[in-house]
Amino acid sequence: DAGVTQSPTHLIKTRGQQVTLRCSPKSGHDTVSWYQQALGQGPQFIFQYYEEEERQRGNFPDRFSGHQYPNYSSELNVNALLLGDSALYLCASSRDRGDQPQHFGDGTRLSIL
Amino acid sequence: AQSVSQHNHHVILSEAASLELGCNYSYGGTVNLFWYVQYPGQHLQLLLKYFSGDPLVKGIKGFEAEFIKSKFSFNLRKPSVQWSDTAEYFCAVTPRGLTDSWGKLQFGAGTQVVVTP
Repeated sequence: DAGVTQSPTHLIKTRGQQVTLRCSPKSGHDTVSWYQQALGQGPQFIFQYYEEEERQRGNFPDRFSGHQYPNYSSELNVNALLLGDSALYLCASSRDRGDQPQHFGDGTRLSIL
Repeated sequence: AQSVSQHNHHVILSEAASLELGCNYSYGGTVNLFWYVQYPGQHLQLLLKYFSGDPLVKGIKGFEAEFIKSKFSFNLRKPSVQWSDTAEYFCAVTPRGLTDSWGKLQFGAGTQVVVTP
């Protein structure tokens, strides 16, 4: 079955630009979470979407925003890119039940020049 | 603030050796605990999880982990590793409660494990 799919796989941007990353959740999943993984670090929680609304948010500035569509797919938008935004961006999906683990995609590698 | 620390950043061991990876968390309330693994070129996968009950949890591929509440620890073990266990291992925690969310995982920095033939 199709797992979590993310696009694109790699992206190169320059400082000040804006970027949109996309995620399709695993079939049957309705909740999408986004994480940022800098080199040599563990993933850091950005936010989570459920029923097309941002339900929880980590310690990230407002430059990071998102959206969830009725088909549960999601986008992560980052404005005014900084060099420090260079990272692997991971999408994870789950069913909104207490005993369901998250399934991760392969990520989008974002490089800022 | 909640945090997760993994004791070793890199571990190198030979096949058939035993593996133990340390994980400690700081959080005042009840937590759910996870170990994820990332094999080379693959996405993060769940190895095992602990919610409640028996503090010794068995996961996939012969891994197990023990939750010791008094030590705020959730160490991962495998009695005899194989070359295919070469991967990066992440411990993760999420608070549990009335507003429990399965999205806000707090990860450790990860431990890179290399198993030599």
